Amino acid sequence: NAGVTQTPKFQVLKTGQSMTLQCAQDMNHNSMYWYRQDPGMGLRLIYYSASEGTTDKGEVPNGYNVSRLNKREFSLRLESAAPSQTSVYFCASSEDWTANQPQHFGDGTRLSIL
Amino acid sequence: TQLLEQSPQFLSIQEGENLTVYCNSSSVFSSLQWYRQEPGEGPVLLVTVVTGGEVKKLKRLTFQFGDARKDSSLHITAAQPGDTGLYLCAGDDGGATNKLIFGTGTLLAVQP
Repeated sequence: NAGVTQTPKFQVLKTGQSMTLQCAQDMNHNSMYWYRQDPGMGLRLIYYSASEGTTDKGEVPNGYNVSRLNKREFSLRLESAAPSQTSVYFCASSEDWTANQPQHFGDGTRLSIL
Repeated sequence: TQLLEQSPQFLSIQEGENLTVYCNSSSVFSSLQWYRQEPGEGPVLLVTVVTGGEVKKLKRLTFQFGDARKDSSLHITAAQPGDTGLYLCAGDDGGATNKLIFGTGTLLAVQP
C-alpha cells in the first residue's frame, strides 16, 4: 500500500537552478495538491488539480509550475530556485473535489536552496 | 483571507497528563479536519467535524466543533508518548470544495 509517493526525499539546489518534484498516487484519486510547510506557518497550498486535465493556483503559486501528467501523477517544477523556496514540500490526493474529503499525504521532499 | 490560529504553539507534558489544543478563526467554516503529523512524515487525518457543537471521540482524543463553527478544540486524556507529534487543524475555504486552509500547528511532546 504505497499511497502517495514523492521523489526525491531530499534535495539541495543552488540559486537559479531548476528542478521537478515528482508525486504519484495509487489510490485512483481524482484530486491532487501541492503544499509547502514552513516553521510556524502550517501548510500552504501552492497548486491543486481538482481532476485530471485541470490545474489551478493556490495561496502561494509564484515561482512554481505544475503538470498533471495523468490521473496518477502530479509534478511541481521550480524554474529558477530562490532561497525563499527552501521548505518541505508535500503532495496530497483526495478521492474527489467535493468538500470534507480526507487528504492523503506523501512523506515530503525536503528542499534546500543555497 | 481566512486564517486559523492554533494555541498553544508548543506543549511539553508528562505522560498521563491531560491537555487541550485550540483552533480559532474569525471566519465560519462548514467543516474542520484535524491531522497529526509525525517527524519525517506527512499529516494523517484524525477526524472531520461538520456540525456546529459536534463532539467526536477517538479513543483518548475528543474533538469539538464550536457552535458558531468558527473554532474547534482537541482534548487528549492521559497523554502517552505515542501522542507526540504536530497537530494541525484545517478548515474548508467555504466554496464547497476540498481546498483546505491549515492552521499554524501545535507541536506536542509527551515525556515518559
